[in-house]
Amino acid sequence: DVKVTQSSRYLVKRTGEKVFLECVQDMDHENMFWYRQDPGLGLRLIYFSYDVKMKEKGDIPEGYSVSREKKERFSLILESASTNQTSMYLCASSRDRDTDTQYFGPGTRLTVL
Amino acid sequence: AQKVTQAQTEISVVEKEDVTLDCVYETRDTTYYLFWYKQPPSGELVFLIRRNSFDEQNEISGRYSWNFQKSTSSFNFTITASQVVDSAVYFCALSEANSGNTPLVFGKGTRLSVIA
Repeated sequence: DVKVTQSSRYLVKRTGEKVFLECVQDMDHENMFWYRQDPGLGLRLIYFSYDVKMKEKGDIPEGYSVSREKKERFSLILESASTNQTSMYLCASSRDRDTDTQYFGPGTRLTVL
Repeated sequence: AQKVTQAQTEISVVEKEDVTLDCVYETRDTTYYLFWYKQPPSGELVFLIRRNSFDEQNEISGRYSWNFQKSTSSFNFTITASQVVDSAVYFCALSEANSGNTPLVFGKGTRLSVIA
C-alpha cells in the first residue's frame, strides 16, 4: 500500500510566521505534489517536483516555496504566513510523470490568525 | 486547455437509492487519463479508478460503476444501492500525456449525502 504522511493534521499559526508543512512518502515515488483545497475552488496545484532538488510551479505558487532534499520528503514553506493562506493543504505522490495515479496524504488544515 | 466540469455541486439521496455523479471533460490531447477520487469527512483523497482514453469499456467494482463515453466527453460514476458510508465529496480529474505545468486537473467536486 502506498502511504503518504503529513506532519500535522491541524496547525494554527500567526500572521508573519514562517510555516513548514512536511510530506513523506514510502513508495519510492519520483513525483510529489502540493495542493491547497478551498470551498468552491476545489483543488489547486501549488508546486510539484519530479526529482530530488527539482521543483516546478503549479497554478498558484505565489507566497509559497518548496524543498525536496530527499526523494521521500517534500516540504511546503510559507515564508510569511498570511490569513488568506488559511486552507486545507494536501500532499500527493506518484510513480511516473504526468499521467500516473497520484496518492494523497491525510491533509493539513492550516489556520493563520 | 484541459478542463473538468462536475455540474452537480451537491446531491442528497436516501439509502439504497442509486446515484450517478456526472463528469464532463475537455482536452485537445488524444492520450489522456481520467480519475475519480473520494474525499470522506476525514479529508484524505482516496483513489477509486484510473481509465485511459483508449479504453472505453465500462468498469464495475462492487457497487461502483463507471461509464466512459468519448463521444460526449463524459466519465460518469454510479453508486448502486447507496449507503451512508458513501457520503463524501467525489472528484473527477483529468491528466494529459503532455500536460505541461498542471499534471492533474480536478473538477470542483460533488458532495454526496446519503441519508439513512
